[in-house]
Amino acid sequence: GNSVTQMEGPVTLSEEAFLTINCTYTATGYPSLFWYVQYPGEGLQLLLKATKADDKGSNKGFEATYRKETTSFHLEKGSVQVSDSAVYFCALSQDSSYKLIFGSGTRLLVRP
Amino acid sequence: DTGVSQNPRHKITKRGQNVTFRCDPISEHNRLYWYRQTLGQGPEFLTYFQNEAQLEKSRLLSDRFSAERPKGSFSTLEIQRTEQGDSAMYLCASSLGRGGTYNEQFFGPGTRLTVL
Repeated sequence: GNSVTQMEGPVTLSEEAFLTINCTYTATGYPSLFWYVQYPGEGLQLLLKATKADDKGSNKGFEATYRKETTSFHLEKGSVQVSDSAVYFCALSQDSSYKLIFGSGTRLLVRP
Repeated sequence: DTGVSQNPRHKITKRGQNVTFRCDPISEHNRLYWYRQTLGQGPEFLTYFQNEAQLEKSRLLSDRFSAERPKGSFSTLEIQRTEQGDSAMYLCASSLGRGGTYNEQFFGPGTRLTVL
């Protein structure tokens, strides 16, 4: 079945450091891929998405490129801020239900 | 605020009791999803509705679980004879569900269930 695997956290970085959170998926066909973020005390929010191979999703300085050859959708940001501290979830959606299949989440802690 | 709302936010119950959660989606959103999230894990799909029709149920949704969306607006999720393994955060999300393409799912804050 379809699944998503992401790197375990927590990931601890200093402010202005470069961020990469790895995400790989298993799916038949061509799923849509997403990154969701959960800030402390808040609900899940869509951060970015990509719907076909080689698409790049971007938002708030975060980027991820849909790589079908490596079945990956790694999240990157060039310079993190303390306010980026949150849990990040990689997810895919494939069929007409558009239900989301999530990875286990990666906690990011950015220190001043 | 017209986001997705869920009630109650927290529920503590004893094993064997029944509980019911409510989700109010964003107005005019046709699709409504229920997910369950245990500590340290990502959300897992439980079921979804298109208007009042329940179109898919996960195998995670045992016979003790039932969900309804009677008028295509709010939804309820009931768990009968709760077990300690039911302790989790129950998330609701809604989307427009139109156009044959993916529509962003907007999540509520969740209901945290603790079964003692």
